[in-house]
Amino acid sequence: GNSVTQMEGPVTLSEEAFLTINCTYTATGYPSLFWYVQYPGEGLQLLLKATKADDKGSNKGFEATYRKETTSFHLEKGSVQVSDSAVYFCALRRGGANSKLTFGKGITLSVRP
Amino acid sequence: DVKVTQSSRYLVKRTGEKVFLECVQDMDHENMFWYRQDPGLGLRLIYFSYDVKMKEKGDIPEGYSVSREKKERFSLILESASTNQTSMYLCASSLGSTVYEQYFGPGTRLTVT
Repeated sequence: GNSVTQMEGPVTLSEEAFLTINCTYTATGYPSLFWYVQYPGEGLQLLLKATKADDKGSNKGFEATYRKETTSFHLEKGSVQVSDSAVYFCALRRGGANSKLTFGKGITLSVRP
Repeated sequence: DVKVTQSSRYLVKRTGEKVFLECVQDMDHENMFWYRQDPGLGLRLIYFSYDVKMKEKGDIPEGYSVSREKKERFSLILESASTNQTSMYLCASSLGSTVYEQYFGPGTRLTVT
């Protein structure tokens, strides 16, 4: 079946540090891939997405590249800010009709000033 | 902007009570979803609906039911609340079968005592 594996957290970084959050997936075919972010006290919101192999999604300084050969969709940011402190979820769209998503367990990022 | 609202941010109920969680979206989305979010487990899909009066079980439907009488409203029902249903409940909606972005509400933190 479909599954998403995220690296274990939490992650604590200093402001302006480089961020990598690993995400790998198991799926048949070519699923669309997503990163969602949940800021404290809020629901999830879409951060970026990629719909086919080698696509790069980007938003707010974050990037992730859909790597079919390694079944990965790692999230990166060159210089994190305190305001990036949040929970980050990797997700994939399941096959078939409708738009059900399979989510990873999420990882908490804390950025220190 | 798409808005998904949930009836309560915090709810405390007693074991055995019948609990209703309400979700409303204002963008005429076809699909609506209920998830629960637990530390270390990420988001797990309880039920979803792809049309009025239509529903399908997600990954963990036991102990829950849903109702969708109007397109904009999707209700989650706990027939007899139990302590293991203490969790954060998130509602989401999406436009249709080819648009996969899900828009989330702020969540309801339910405590069952």
